[in-house]
Amino acid sequence: EAAVTQSPRNKVAVTGGKVTLSCNQTNNHNNMYWYRQDTGHGLRLIHYSYGAGSTEKGDIPDGYKASRPSQENFSLILELATPSQTSVYFCASGDGDRVEQYFGPGTRLTVL
Amino acid sequence: SQLAEENLWALSVHEGESVTVNCSYKTSITALQWYRQKSGEGPAQLILIRSNEREKRNGRLRATLDTSSQSSSLSITATRCEDTAVYFCATDDNYAQGLTFGLGTRVSVFP
Repeated sequence: EAAVTQSPRNKVAVTGGKVTLSCNQTNNHNNMYWYRQDTGHGLRLIHYSYGAGSTEKGDIPDGYKASRPSQENFSLILELATPSQTSVYFCASGDGDRVEQYFGPGTRLTVL
Repeated sequence: SQLAEENLWALSVHEGESVTVNCSYKTSITALQWYRQKSGEGPAQLILIRSNEREKRNGRLRATLDTSSQSSSLSITATRCEDTAVYFCATDDNYAQGLTFGLGTRVSVFP
């Protein structure tokens, strides 16, 4: 079965600190995605990747960086975390031949 | 911009009843997907319906797509308490750029 895992599941960070959210997939999918989910906004795409070494900006990339060091791993980096980045973050992977995305369980980030 | 949206925030039904969630979208699409998100979990796909399809079924789920009115519906028959979740429609015009999700409709199924 398709598997996307995220770590940590919960994170409390301080304003101005650096935060790294990690995602691992065992689906061997080329495409990976980072979304954030907020009440009133739904799921919004932050960054995505076509494969190892590739990162692309999504709809709301400001304040975030992404890294795809391998097929399996995709990280989201907040260099200088702000309270407005408090949210639930979801990673997903997708098969290039289909459009279904498989989501991880999410990371709840609180920036104080 | 909001390219896909469900038409109601919340619906409540009793077990065994049917429920329908509607969605409208604003761009031409290659496919529309319905996802379900249970509390504390990530979204999970239920049905994918392509632009050349009018109806798709998956067990108790039935999705319809009307490209002329840019709308879709998801019906759940014989609902169960475990169907309680938020249901999203999601569209794509380029799968590699991710999906555009609606805000979701919360469906609550009561015993």
